[in-house]
Amino acid sequence: NAGVMQNPRHLVRRRGQEARLRCSPMKGHSHVYWYRQLPEEGLKFMVYLQKENIIDESGMPKERFSAEFPKEGPSILRIQQVVRGDSAAYFCASSPSGGSTEAFFGQGTRLTVV
Amino acid sequence: GQQLNQSPQSMFIQEGEDVSMNCTSSSIFNTWLWYKQDPGEGPVLLIALYKAGELTSNGRLTAQFGTTRKDSFLNISASIPSDVGIYFCAGPIYGGSQGNLIFGKGTKLSVKP
Repeated sequence: NAGVMQNPRHLVRRRGQEARLRCSPMKGHSHVYWYRQLPEEGLKFMVYLQKENIIDESGMPKERFSAEFPKEGPSILRIQQVVRGDSAAYFCASSPSGGSTEAFFGQGTRLTVV
Repeated sequence: GQQLNQSPQSMFIQEGEDVSMNCTSSSIFNTWLWYKQDPGEGPVLLIALYKAGELTSNGRLTAQFGTTRKDSFLNISASIPSDVGIYFCAGPIYGGSQGNLIFGKGTKLSVKP
């Protein structure tokens, strides 16, 4: 049973481009969470999705950021018109039910904006 | 807003030493989680605590849920080189969904030169 798969592991984008980060949850998991981690910091919650629904997006910036978790396929975190301050590690976690204490994290995508 | 304060920020260990770290908050938490993160990897859940006063072990790791519900402690006994990494405490944010965890800034464990 593969763990949470995130790709790409590393992503470089120029300012103004779009970044698309993908997350395939563990088999049988229908709850996905996205977190952002700046250097030397802890993880910061961004959004919680269940298949086709956004449950909690209280940590998402109001502009340029969006997330989806379609019925088929991976969850996508999209950042439009990236800026240098978006450079960070983005982690996805998944759980079989709505309790994040059972959540397993992926290896993350390290986004660098140049 | 809610914050989790971890101390120490960093520490150096010598193989065989016992290690202690803690996590405090001005707010009450109903769940405390301890994670370890290796360089370039995602966090891995070590121990989850659900009741005030609870003491839970996972191998050489022992964590306690403080009786005030505002703190938690993690101890590592007889440390080994692979214990090196960053240890985070986390808990569900008050009033948020179960998926909304707040993390401390971490305690970085390194090997004494």
